Amino acid sequence: GAVVSQHPSRVICKSGTSVKIECRSLDFQATTMFWYRQFPKQSLMLMATSNEGSKATYEQGVEKDKFLINHASLTLSTLTVTSAHPEDSSFYICSAPWKGGTDTQYFGPGTRLTVL
Amino acid sequence: QKEVEQNSGPLSVPEGAIASLNCTYSDRGSQSFFWYRQYSGKSPELIMSIYSNGDKEDGRFTAQLNKASQYVSLLIRDSQPSDSATYLCAPSSGSARQLTFGSGTQLTVLP
Repeated sequence: GAVVSQHPSRVICKSGTSVKIECRSLDFQATTMFWYRQFPKQSLMLMATSNEGSKATYEQGVEKDKFLINHASLTLSTLTVTSAHPEDSSFYICSAPWKGGTDTQYFGPGTRLTVL
Repeated sequence: QKEVEQNSGPLSVPEGAIASLNCTYSDRGSQSFFWYRQYSGKSPELIMSIYSNGDKEDGRFTAQLNKASQYVSLLIRDSQPSDSATYLCAPSSGSARQLTFGSGTQLTVLP
């Protein structure tokens, strides 16, 4: 299947700092990418849809000024958690649909964020 | 609001048995349906996709879709301990093909 990478895989930061997470589609182009957040023992919750060349679309309840999304190219989307707080600690996962006729979404390996 | 309901777990089956996972969805506009497997601490891994009513088989996995009943299921034959994971049902809809995830069913295959 298609490959999506994320970097970093794990990050620990102090409260108040900003953290940038990168999501790359390695062998295909993605005009759309999705960012999810998963808390322990819970399912994935869609945070936002990242659109190449235009603004991201945020889900209800997700602060767009806190979670900055930039779809810089057809293979790269970044999520920046600004002024992170302990309640932002979570597993952040991106996905990209592979438009090989099926629009199947492939997930990156995820980024574990811990805010102290 | 789009809702996806999965059979409550955890589900335990003995090795070699058939595991049956069920899912209902509320959005009649859903066009594609996916089953993902997620191991603890890892991201979801695609297991099966199904787009039309009926059955679709891939190795030990069979997905079943009934759009009229808004129901999709996953059967795992000859279950192995390595199948122990949380299984997520995810219909997609909308122009951006967004996925809506169920809460997942935790499966344990006992040796």
